Amino acid sequence: DAKTTQPTSMDCAEGRAANLPCNHSTISGNEYVYWYRQIHSQGPQYIIHGLKNNETNEMASLIITEDRKSSTLILPHATLRDTAVYYCIVWYSGAGSYQLTFGKGTKLSVIP
Amino acid sequence: EPEVTQTPSHQVTQMGQEVILRCVPISNHLYFYWYRQILGQKVEFLVSFYNNEISEKSEIFDDQFSVERPDGSNFTLKIRSTKLEDSAMYFCASRDRGLGTQYFGPGTRLLVL
Repeated sequence: DAKTTQPTSMDCAEGRAANLPCNHSTISGNEYVYWYRQIHSQGPQYIIHGLKNNETNEMASLIITEDRKSSTLILPHATLRDTAVYYCIVWYSGAGSYQLTFGKGTKLSVIP
Repeated sequence: EPEVTQTPSHQVTQMGQEVILRCVPISNHLYFYWYRQILGQKVEFLVSFYNNEISEKSEIFDDQFSVERPDGSNFTLKIRSTKLEDSAMYFCASRDRGLGTQYFGPGTRLLVL
């Protein structure tokens, strides 16, 4: 089972920042936090990942708390095309096949 | 930008028939995966493949399923005798060595009648 907890759904006004929370209270030291999204039934799209430090790329920012038990994905200026299901995934970086375990995610609706 | 491609995008088949789903991973990637998503449900891991062999598989990946990398570019998933419950989106993914991110293809929608 997924080791993360996310709200089932969220709304965000177009042009505003979308802040998607994720709890991963049982995360261990060598586990990364990954974020993917899935638009309709398309393939999951990688957004961003982090271990300890906050991260930013052209799509989003990832804020990880100091105790690493939770994180927030920030889409700075949400557009209608950001409407999707967002998955927060804790991913073990040790030996193995490194498969991703998806939960139900957060359905983000960006409203005009 | 390199991307994972999958063919066909849609496949309709009769129960009991064999299907082969094809994937072309990103060219320098070494690890390959198949996932599936039944309509309305979570994305589920099926199998991972590295160095020309299966490295891990889930309970879903039973004897009806097989994977192959027949050449340097393609990665296939075969379902020998399809069942109604095999109807789903099937996603291929690949990643580079080490701690690389997995990148997913657009999926094949399989419908078993």
